[in-house]
Amino acid sequence: GIQVEQSPPDLILQEGANSTLRCNFSDSVNNLQWFHQNPWGQLINLFYIPSGTKQNGRLSATTVATERYSLLYISSSQTTDSGVYFCAAGTGGTSYGKLTFGQGTILTVHP
Amino acid sequence: GAGVSQSPSNKVTEKGKDVELRCDPISGHTALYWYRQSLGQGLEFLIYFQGNSAPDKSGLPSDRFSAERTGGSVSTLTIQRTQQEDSAVYLCASSHGGTDYGYTFGSGTRLTVV
Repeated sequence: GIQVEQSPPDLILQEGANSTLRCNFSDSVNNLQWFHQNPWGQLINLFYIPSGTKQNGRLSATTVATERYSLLYISSSQTTDSGVYFCAAGTGGTSYGKLTFGQGTILTVHP
Repeated sequence: GAGVSQSPSNKVTEKGKDVELRCDPISGHTALYWYRQSLGQGLEFLIYFQGNSAPDKSGLPSDRFSAERTGGSVSTLTIQRTQQEDSAVYLCASSHGGTDYGYTFGSGTRLTVV
C-alpha cells in the first residue's frame, strides 16, 4: 500500500514564526488531506487538497501530485496552533475515501 | 446532525467481554469510516462504508472485529472477546462523497480493556 512520510517529526516555534510541514507519499494519489489534532484529541480537517493550492486564513497548502509531495504552511503561528498535524493520502479506485495517515508532526508554539 | 457523534466517549471493559461503539454521521454524508489510534501513534484504517456498496473491511485486524451501517446512517463497531491490545481511541469520520471526500471526525471513543 501507499506509504506516507511526514517531516519534521517535531517542531518548536516562538509565537509569530512561520513554518512549513512536508508530506511525501509513495504513489499517485487522488485524495490528500491535512488534519490538526488539538491537545484534547479532536481531529480537525484543514484541507482536502489532492492537487493545487488552497489558503484558509494563516494556513495554506500545496500538493504537487506529479512529484508526490504536499506542503502545509503556517504563518504568524499562535499558541493555539500547537498539536499534531497529520497528512493522509488515498489512491482512489473502489475505496476512494480510504486514507493512509502519516505519523504526524508535533508542533509546539511558545508564547 | 451538525457534527459526527460517537458514543460512548469512554468505555472500560474487562478482557473477554464484547463491546459496541456507535457512530452517528453528518446527515447526508454517504461515506463513513472507522479508524483507531493507539497511544502516541498515528491513525490505523479499520473499515469504510460508501453508500450501498459492499464495505471495505481490509483494515479490520481480526475476525473479532465487525461493523455494520444501518439505513445508510448510524454505524456500530463491535469488538468481541476484547483483548488488552484492543485498547485505543476509536474514531469515526464521515464525508459527503461525490466530489468532496473531506473528512469530518467525531470526538472518538476511548476504549480501555483491563
